[in-house]
Amino acid sequence: AQSVTQLGSHVSVSEGALVLLRCNYSSSVPPYLFWYVQYPNQGLQLLLKYTTGATLVKGINGFEAEFKKSETSFHLTKPSAHMSDAAEYFCAVSDIKAAGNKLTFGGGTRVLVKP
Amino acid sequence: NAGVMQNPRHLVRRRGQEARLRCSPMKGHSHVYWYRQLPEEGLKFMVYLQKENIIDESGMPKERFSAEFPKEGPSILRIQQVVRGDSAAYFCASSPTTGLAEPRTDTQYFGPGTRLTVL
Repeated sequence: AQSVTQLGSHVSVSEGALVLLRCNYSSSVPPYLFWYVQYPNQGLQLLLKYTTGATLVKGINGFEAEFKKSETSFHLTKPSAHMSDAAEYFCAVSDIKAAGNKLTFGGGTRVLVKP
Repeated sequence: NAGVMQNPRHLVRRRGQEARLRCSPMKGHSHVYWYRQLPEEGLKFMVYLQKENIIDESGMPKERFSAEFPKEGPSILRIQQVVRGDSAAYFCASSPTTGLAEPRTDTQYFGPGTRLTVL
């Protein structure tokens, strides 16, 4: 079965500092990978996704992620944190054996941005 | 284009009652997914439906839970005889008909969720 591990359930960064959220996955074939953001009491919003092609993927709100097959990682970064980035972030992978696009999510990383 | 709609946003039930959660996908979307988020956990897949068909229900508990997506109207997630452990946020997501595209690349658009509290 596929799995997603997010290191660090909570991350605290200063405004203007680098945001780095770690995601590692397990998959026996090339995966499709997603990062979603969840603001308090809201649904999930897609930040970016990797399917094929360029391994550095740019998303909304200045976020980007790099697919590294050798490390089975898909870490999310943003060069300069903004107060509005405070939210919970989820990494997800498509289930290769399922019909449609059944997603397996990591446990989430809650980001706190300090002024 | 309105987003995915879910109602109610908050639902309180006593143990043994039934809970009905509704999801209206985005216009033009014929694929619906339901996920459950327990407190302090990530989302867990429950069921995937297309119009009038359950495609994958591998994440649904074997008893008390059912889902449907009729030809007309919203998708319904039904929980019979709720227990305290059913307290969670239930999210619905929809995606468009993919045609020739690889469905595993499709973006899922999530609703705001229904927060179920069982007393």
